[in-house]
Amino acid sequence: QVLLVESGGGVVQPGGSLRLSCAASGFTFSRFGMHWVRQAPGKGLEWIAFIRFDATTEYYADSVKGRFTISRDNSKTTLYLHMGSLRTEDTAVYYCARNYGGELDHWGQGTLVTVSS
Amino acid sequence: EIVLTQSPGALSLSPGERATLSCRASQSVDSNNLAWYQQKPGQAPRLLIYSTSSRATGIPDRFSGRGSGTDFTLTINRLEPEDFAVYYCQQFGGSTYTFGQGTKVEIK
Repeated sequence: QVLLVESGGGVVQPGGSLRLSCAASGFTFSRFGMHWVRQAPGKGLEWIAFIRFDATTEYYADSVKGRFTISRDNSKTTLYLHMGSLRTEDTAVYYCARNYGGELDHWGQGTLVTVSS
Repeated sequence: EIVLTQSPGALSLSPGERATLSCRASQSVDSNNLAWYQQKPGQAPRLLIYSTSSRATGIPDRFSGRGSGTDFTLTINRLEPEDFAVYYCQQFGGSTYTFGQGTKVEIK
């Protein structure tokens, strides 16, 4: 079955950096686009980034553009999110999700990122 | 950027009742590009409906979606105890993906 497992979350100071990973299994990773979506504590879902199956195209929400970078390694079936210039408002659970025709059909369980001094 | 506004913010209903959730878009959305998700506390979201009205794998037929243009609806017939959760609509188009702010369906 499709399995997505995020890792790399933790506590980081404002202005710091962090790299999240999402290990994928149970499907042909190299054939699917992938997303990162976050959810601040007690808040709704916020889409933040998408990468095409072949990594030729990336899209970002305005809130993270220029600070975050989505990438993937199809040989390792792993998705990444490089987060820089972190702000307190970036505190959230970060989910990776598989793209299927524009909807997100499988999600990981999420990893918590806390930006605090 | 298309903004999705969900209403009501919360809905108090009893098991067995029908829930009707609304998602209104600030601009017209292709009906193939509108989806609904369910999220329970402490869990990841789950895809319920895609392309406005198609149920995802394993989703019971008491969940149905409809709509077009700027107005979309998720209906849950005969609420079961496991249906009390938060529901989000989502649209995609070009290079943007957006979620509504969510509707919480709670037990009355």
